[in-house]
Amino acid sequence: GEQVEQLPSILRVQEGSSASINCSYEDSASNYFPWYKQEPGENPKLIIDIRSNMERKQIQELIVLLDKKAKRFSLHITDTQPGDSAMYFCAASAFDGNEKITFGAGTKLTIKP
Amino acid sequence: DAGVTQTPRHEVAEKGQTIILKCEPVSGHNDLFWYRQTKIQGLELLSYFRSKSLMEDGGAFKDRFKAEMLNSSFSTLKIQPTEPKDSAVYLCASSPTINTEVFFGKGTRLTVV
Repeated sequence: GEQVEQLPSILRVQEGSSASINCSYEDSASNYFPWYKQEPGENPKLIIDIRSNMERKQIQELIVLLDKKAKRFSLHITDTQPGDSAMYFCAASAFDGNEKITFGAGTKLTIKP
Repeated sequence: DAGVTQTPRHEVAEKGQTIILKCEPVSGHNDLFWYRQTKIQGLELLSYFRSKSLMEDGGAFKDRFKAEMLNSSFSTLKIQPTEPKDSAVYLCASSPTINTEVFFGKGTRLTVV
């Protein structure tokens, strides 16, 4: 089955700067790559996703990049704010019948004031 | 907002006890997942159902963990017997189908003493 590696596991950045989280996957059939944000005490929630027919997607301060050749995708948060402090999970899935979604291990992002 | 409902929110068990966690997925969703979340391991898949059929039962968790889905609107996760290392947050999640947003419940925090 699919394996997703997510780095770094811990990330601390200064408020106002950018934060980047990187993920890699193994299955070339994967074609859907969502990102989830989990705030303390809450459940993970989808914040942005990208499908394999795109290389870049932006929603406000969130940018996702996808490099299908390298099997890598990344989340970039520009102009970070204290509310961006949370756990972030990347994931990958393929629509080929029985494949399920596979999550990365998570990145704990802390925004320093 | 009829999201994924998990009960109980907190559970304390003595070592060796049997506990049953409950989950109601979003109505109409086809896929249901049980995850264990720890700081060290991140999200570990325990079980995965599609249309009530067990697709994956998370190999390493087979011996003491058993998930069931008797109907499309209810699933249980039984841990028998519990061990202190089972202390974690157990998340249930559902999605309409593959390659779509996964909706998580708020989780059950299990403490085994």
